[in-house]
Amino acid sequence: GENVEQHPSTLSVQEGDSAVIKCTYSDSASNYFPWYKQELGKRPQLIIDIRSNVGEKKDQRIAVTLNKTAKHFSLHITETQPEDSAVYFCAASKNGNQFYFGTGTSLTVIP
Amino acid sequence: DTAVSQTPKYLVTQMGNDKSIKCEQNLGHDTMYWYKQDSKKFLKIMFSYNNKELIINETVPNRFSPKSPDKAHLNLHINSLELGDSAVYFCASSPFNAGVAFFGQGTRLTVV
Repeated sequence: GENVEQHPSTLSVQEGDSAVIKCTYSDSASNYFPWYKQELGKRPQLIIDIRSNVGEKKDQRIAVTLNKTAKHFSLHITETQPEDSAVYFCAASKNGNQFYFGTGTSLTVIP
Repeated sequence: DTAVSQTPKYLVTQMGNDKSIKCEQNLGHDTMYWYKQDSKKFLKIMFSYNNKELIINETVPNRFSPKSPDKAHLNLHINSLELGDSAVYFCASSPFNAGVAFFGQGTRLTVV
C-alpha cells in the first residue's frame, strides 16, 4: 500500500506566525490529498484537500501545495490562532477510495 | 442528524471477550471504513467496504471481522480481545472516488 511520511511530529509557533507541515508519499498513482485536523478527544475533521491536477489551493488562512514530480505536499497555516492547536494529519488516496494517513503533527500555538 | 455515528462511545471489557462496535452513516456514501488510532495517534486503516464488498483488508488479525448488512452500516466484531487491541476505533465513510472521508466520533476500547 501507500506510505505517507509527515514532518515535523511536533510544532510550536507563536500566535500570528505561520506553520508549515510537510508530507511525502510513495505511490505515484495517488491522486487525492486531504488534510485533517483532530482536536483532543475529537474525530478527525477534513479541513482542505487538493487533487493531483492542481498545484495549490487556498481557503482563508489555510493553503495546500502539491508537487507531483517530487511526491510531496504541504499544509500552510498563516496568522495562527490558539484554536489552531490540534493534531494535523495528511493523507494520500488512490482514486479516492483508499486513504493512507501520515503520522500526524501536533501543532501548538502559543498565545 | 449525525452524519456518521458509531456506538458505543466507550467500551471497557476483559481480555478474551467478544465485542462489537456499530457504525451507521446517513450521507448516502458508497464506501465505509474502519480505522484504528493507537496511543501514538497513528491512524491505520483496517477495512473498507464498497457496496457490501470488501476492497481493503490490511494486515489485521482475523479476530477482527467487518460486517455490512447494507450500504449505510459497517459494524466491527472483535473476538478474543487482547490488551493490545486497546485503542480508539473510528468509522468513516466517503462518496465513491471523492477523495475525502468523513469520520464518526470514535469508540474508545479499553481491554483490561
